[in-house]
Amino acid sequence: AQSVTQLDSHVSVSEGTPVLLRCNYSSSYSPSLFWYVQHPNKGLQLLLKYTSAATLVKGINGFEAEFKKSETSFHLTKPSAHMSDAAEYFCVVSGAGSYQLTFGKGTKLSVIP
Amino acid sequence: DAGVTQSPTHLIKTRGQHVTLRCSPISGHKSVSWYQQVLGQGPQFIFQYYEKEERGRGNFPDRFSARQFPNYSSELNVNALLLGDSALYLCASSLSGGKVNTEAFFGQGTRLTVV
Repeated sequence: AQSVTQLDSHVSVSEGTPVLLRCNYSSSYSPSLFWYVQHPNKGLQLLLKYTSAATLVKGINGFEAEFKKSETSFHLTKPSAHMSDAAEYFCVVSGAGSYQLTFGKGTKLSVIP
Repeated sequence: DAGVTQSPTHLIKTRGQHVTLRCSPISGHKSVSWYQQVLGQGPQFIFQYYEKEERGRGNFPDRFSARQFPNYSSELNVNALLLGDSALYLCASSLSGGKVNTEAFFGQGTRLTVV
């Protein structure tokens, strides 16, 4: 069984300040972990993925995430928020041999000018 | 290159009716998955098909069914619609169905409203 908990339903930051979106996971196997972003009326876009290689994963648009097995966490960060980052972000887990993606409930990121 | 395409984009149906949603994967992708996203929630897995065979099914009633065609496109069918079936239905395609860390590419979804 696998699950994901996104610790904040809504995060609000000022433009140019750091972004931190928190995610904890649970998986019976060595997980693959992903962050997806969903802009209004748009499909889901992959930001980055962790697949048991380097624990610090760099993604698109300046985002990165660190896999911490001891804390079962996979938090998403960005050094400086941009207005275009305002969207819904989903932390996603899948287990070894599983084709099923399990999504968190999402974190809505608002960026204040 | 065309991404994952879904049709229709929006749909309004009456309770008790039947609906068919369609998905065309990225060229060369053999796996299609379907997800339901209720307003305010993350997507939930419904089905995965790979090489025209069902590889997995989520916790959805038998009113939900799907199939994959020889050209790898897919249909999701929902019978006896309920108000609670109102949601965004997302289709995702990937190269293979066996390796979970293969990236899934999502379409823009079909917004189904049941009245």
